[in-house]
Amino acid sequence: NAGVMQNPRHLVRRRGQEARLRCSPMKGHSHVYWYRQLPEEGLKFMVYLQKENIIDESGMPKERFSAEFPKEGPSILRIQQVVRGDSAAYFCASSPGGRNTEAFFGQGTRLTVV
Amino acid sequence: GQQLNQSPQSMFIQEGEDVSMNCTSSSIFNTWLWYKQDPGEGPVLLIALYKAGELTSNGRLTAQFGITRKDSFLNISASIPSDVGIYFCAGVNRDDKIIFGKGTRLHILP
Repeated sequence: NAGVMQNPRHLVRRRGQEARLRCSPMKGHSHVYWYRQLPEEGLKFMVYLQKENIIDESGMPKERFSAEFPKEGPSILRIQQVVRGDSAAYFCASSPGGRNTEAFFGQGTRLTVV
Repeated sequence: GQQLNQSPQSMFIQEGEDVSMNCTSSSIFNTWLWYKQDPGEGPVLLIALYKAGELTSNGRLTAQFGITRKDSFLNISASIPSDVGIYFCAGVNRDDKIIFGKGTRLHILP
C-alpha cells in the first residue's frame, strides 16, 4: 500500500537543461497537485490535474513549465531551460477527489540548478 | 484568488505547554486539512475536517471546522520536543483545489 512516490528525491541540473519530476499517486487516486516550496516558505500551488486533464494551472509560470498526468503512468512536471531561480523543493500530492477529499504528499524532489 | 491567513507565523513555547494556531479566509471551503512538515520531508496529514462545526481529535491534537466554513483551528496539548516543525492548514474548495496557508513554525525552548 505505497504512498505517493516522487522521483528523483534530488536533482541537479545545469542552467539551460531540462528537469523532469515524476509523481506516482497513491493507488486509486485520480487527482494530482504540484506545489513548489522555497526554503523557510510555504507551499505555493502550481497545478492541479486529473487523469489526462489539466484542471487548474493558475500557479504555473507561463513559460518553460508544463505538467501532464497521462492515462497510464506517473504525473510529470517538466521544466525546460532551467534557471537558478527554479531551485526549490517540488511536492506532489494526490487525492481520490470527490467529497471528503484527503490529499497525501510525496517526499518531494529537491531541484538544484547550478 | 483564494487565500488562507494562517497565524501565528511562528511560536516559541516551553515543553508541556498547549499550542493553538488558526487559519481564516474570506472564502468558503468544503474541507479543512491540517499538515505537519519536518525538515527535508513532505507534509504529513494530521487531521481532516469535512463538516462545519466538526471537532476532531488525533491524540494530543484537536482541530475544528468553523461554523462559517471560513476558518479552522488546531490545538496541540502538552507539547513535546517531537512536535517541533511547520504546521500548515489547507482548505479544499468546491472545485477540489487545495489552498495552503503559509505555515506556523513551532519551536520548543529547552
